[in-house]
Amino acid sequence: ILNVEQSPQSLHVQEGDSTNFTCSFPSSNFYALHWYRWETAKSPEALFVMTLNGDEKKKGRISATLNTKEGYSYLYIKGSQPEDSATYLCAPSGSARQLTFGSGTQLTVLP
Amino acid sequence: AAGVIQSPRHLIKEKRETATLKCYPIPRHDTVYWYQQGPGQDPQFLISFYEKMQSDKGSIPDRFSAQQFSDYHSELNMSSLELGDSALYFCASSPRGGRADTQYFGPGTRLTVL
Repeated sequence: ILNVEQSPQSLHVQEGDSTNFTCSFPSSNFYALHWYRWETAKSPEALFVMTLNGDEKKKGRISATLNTKEGYSYLYIKGSQPEDSATYLCAPSGSARQLTFGSGTQLTVLP
Repeated sequence: AAGVIQSPRHLIKEKRETATLKCYPIPRHDTVYWYQQGPGQDPQFLISFYEKMQSDKGSIPDRFSAQQFSDYHSELNMSSLELGDSALYFCASSPRGGRADTQYFGPGTRLTVL
């Protein structure tokens, strides 16, 4: 079982601000890192899957980086909008396929 | 685009009753995963199936069983329900079951045990 930590637990930002969150995971037995965006009463939405050290992925205003040697990933949101308000979950996977979720970062973007 | 379908969306049962949750993966996805999220907890992996065979097993109680059928839909059967089984049960599917494949999640089934 992988021990996954996400910080901060919650975050309030003003519309237009840029922000970032951290996901820490054990670097041993690592295969892939998944990021999800989860709005209340909806399905978790897959954002990125990254496997290689130094990977960077981008989707619109959201991007992510991966450091497998030190066991962390950053998620960045540029120019936050109220519709970005959600819980952002990271989940590494190891030798088995199942995901081990962190507790998430709850983002609230204030208009 | 078609998504993962779970039914029912909400289920209320009494202690010691049984429950069956169903999951219909995205078309052409052959791998299904089940996760359980208790109140205030992170989602925990229960079990997964690849090509109708169990592939990985997590913290699934012996009272629970699951299978994947020939049309790739999956059912999670829960017997002798306990209050602690009250949770949100997610199903996810992926196209090949690879460790780096995206898992696409359904909306979940909220089970309440009274």
